[in-house]
Amino acid sequence: GENVEQHPSTLSVQEGDSAVIKCTYSDSASNYFPWYKQELGKRPQLIIDIRSNVGEKKDQRIAVTLNKTAKHFSLHITETQPEDSAVYFCAERGTGGSARQLTFGSGTQLTVLP
Amino acid sequence: DAGVIQSPRHEVTEMGQEVTLRCKPISGHNSLFWYRQTMMRGLELLIYFNNNVPIDDSGMPEDRFSAKMPNASFSTLKIQPSEPRDSAVYFCASRPGGGWDQPQHFGDGTRLSIL
Repeated sequence: GENVEQHPSTLSVQEGDSAVIKCTYSDSASNYFPWYKQELGKRPQLIIDIRSNVGEKKDQRIAVTLNKTAKHFSLHITETQPEDSAVYFCAERGTGGSARQLTFGSGTQLTVLP
Repeated sequence: DAGVIQSPRHEVTEMGQEVTLRCKPISGHNSLFWYRQTMMRGLELLIYFNNNVPIDDSGMPEDRFSAKMPNASFSTLKIQPSEPRDSAVYFCASRPGGGWDQPQHFGDGTRLSIL
């Protein structure tokens, strides 16, 4: 079945520095890769997503890159701010029988130190 | 847009009691998902519906769990009888139709504590 590995599980950066979170997946036919941000006690919220026909997507300080050959995708946050502190989840949409559902990574606790 | 609405926000009950969680998806969305989130296991998909029909319930932990979607605007997740290990945050999410790359939108969750 589908498997998504997310690293690191925790990440601390100084305010203003960049943060990178990486996920690898096993299904080479996966075609949709969203990233969710979950603040403490709140719901996961979509922050950016990428389709398999695109290698990179950027939205202000957030970017996602996709390497289909290596089967990994990464979230990049530049100029980090304290409000970026949260748990970030990657996910991928499989194909075949699981085509309608997402498989989530285990999450990365990002702490931005002031 | 009111978003996905879940109720109750918090539920505390004794083991053995029946628990019913409720979800109202975003109007017009045709897929609905129930997740359970714990520190140990992260976000787990329990079941999802497409056009009110259960498509995959392989994530439902055991027969004590059941879910229904009687119409496009309402779904329930029921646990009977409840056990302490069922304590978790339960999220409902919905997704619009129109293509495979539509994102899921989560509700605020129900924090369930079984004593």
